[in-house]
Amino acid sequence: NAGVTQTPKFRVLKTGQSMTLLCAQDMNHEYMYWYRQDPGMGLRLIHYSVGEGTTAKGEVPDGYNVSRLKKQNFLLGLESAAPSQTSVYFCASSYDIGDIDHEQYFGPGTRLTVT
Amino acid sequence: GENVEQHPSTLSVQEGDSAVIKCTYSDSASNYFPWYKQELGKRPQLIIDIRSNVGEKKDQRIAVTLNKTAKHFSLHITETQPEDSAVYFCAASPGGTSYGKLTFGQGTILTVHP
Repeated sequence: NAGVTQTPKFRVLKTGQSMTLLCAQDMNHEYMYWYRQDPGMGLRLIHYSVGEGTTAKGEVPDGYNVSRLKKQNFLLGLESAAPSQTSVYFCASSYDIGDIDHEQYFGPGTRLTVT
Repeated sequence: GENVEQHPSTLSVQEGDSAVIKCTYSDSASNYFPWYKQELGKRPQLIIDIRSNVGEKKDQRIAVTLNKTAKHFSLHITETQPEDSAVYFCAASPGGTSYGKLTFGQGTILTVHP
């Protein structure tokens, strides 16, 4: 099993450009998440999904959109990139069993720089 | 929303010493508290977690304690080794209809000197 994978690993964008980050998991997890990690601020939840076709806002959703058309994939889109979106982006997934929290499995991350 | 404060931001110990990292949370409804370890350039990985119906949990050299009344929880690492050097994050989840929505602390950089 590959676990959680992310594409691409690195990307440099100019201000105003758009891009999509892809997350894929092969563990049949219902829940998927997108976080950003900035120095000194830990991980902050951007958007999450509780199942195929569903999405919801997290702590810092502005400037991002997401889609979950297939259970195994969770896409994060930046429509018009800004320098403030320079960060490391992590995707994660977890089981949905018994209506309680379970371990979140993280992908390797995508380092995005917006100039 | 939930707010999680983590201290200290950096911690330096000698190999064999113990290390303690503390977190406080604001939402009394939070009921799940995981700890993640992140090595340099790697992904975060769960090392231990605790639910609100338990006061303490151990796994070999790692333990977590929870004080619901005071709304704080701590990570204890005994007999530290150089490979314990990493960034450690605490987190809290409100559970209920919002389970899965983790709020993370700011992280603690632990350095274990040989």
